[in-house]
Amino acid sequence: AQKVTQAQTEISVVEKEDVTLDCVYETRDTTYYLFWYKQPPSGELVFLIRRNSFDEQNEISGRYSWNFQKSTSSFNFTITASQVVDSAVYFCALPANQAGTALIFGKGTTLSVSS
Amino acid sequence: NAGVMQNPRHLVRRRGQEARLRCSPMKGHSHVYWYRQLPEEGLKFMVYLQKENIIDESGMPKERFSAEFPKEGPSILRIQQVVRGDSAAYFCASSPAPGTRFGETQYFGPGTRLLVL
Repeated sequence: AQKVTQAQTEISVVEKEDVTLDCVYETRDTTYYLFWYKQPPSGELVFLIRRNSFDEQNEISGRYSWNFQKSTSSFNFTITASQVVDSAVYFCALPANQAGTALIFGKGTTLSVSS
Repeated sequence: NAGVMQNPRHLVRRRGQEARLRCSPMKGHSHVYWYRQLPEEGLKFMVYLQKENIIDESGMPKERFSAEFPKEGPSILRIQQVVRGDSAAYFCASSPAPGTRFGETQYFGPGTRLLVL
């Protein structure tokens, strides 16, 4: 069965600290994509990244980086030099079925960055 | 490019009333998905629609909830005879094609916050 676990419910850091958000998944598929979304306090859901299970190279986008390790079924997200604007709930997601018509989300990690 | 549009952003209903939530997908997207975010729970898939067709409603409650995506106009999620437990954020997403398993990304709207008094 498809499952996404974000064990960290809440994380609090001070500005400029680095922070890593963990995501562990279970899937029956041999090829798949994984996704990260951000939900800032304003409430909308913002797509951040998708990653193919074939590609285990780290992805970096500015202060954001993602580490995908198929061997440990993890897709972790690191924010370097965090800023107050990074405060949000972050969700990791996986296709829920073979057709990929739905996503299954983790329960999210609430990141609070204080100045 | 306009993103996914949802309205209203906030909706207050009394128990027993009907709630109608609207979603206009991104331009060029013909696949619409509805999700519900209940307090203390994550986002849960409800239904997936293409124009004039419900493709996957495996996450829809069996009673009082329905969805449509007509040939013209927005997708509608309808909740009849609302109860307090329906209070939640309802998100619509769209994509140009289905298949998140193959990399199709679902882009979300801002959500509709439904409060049932």
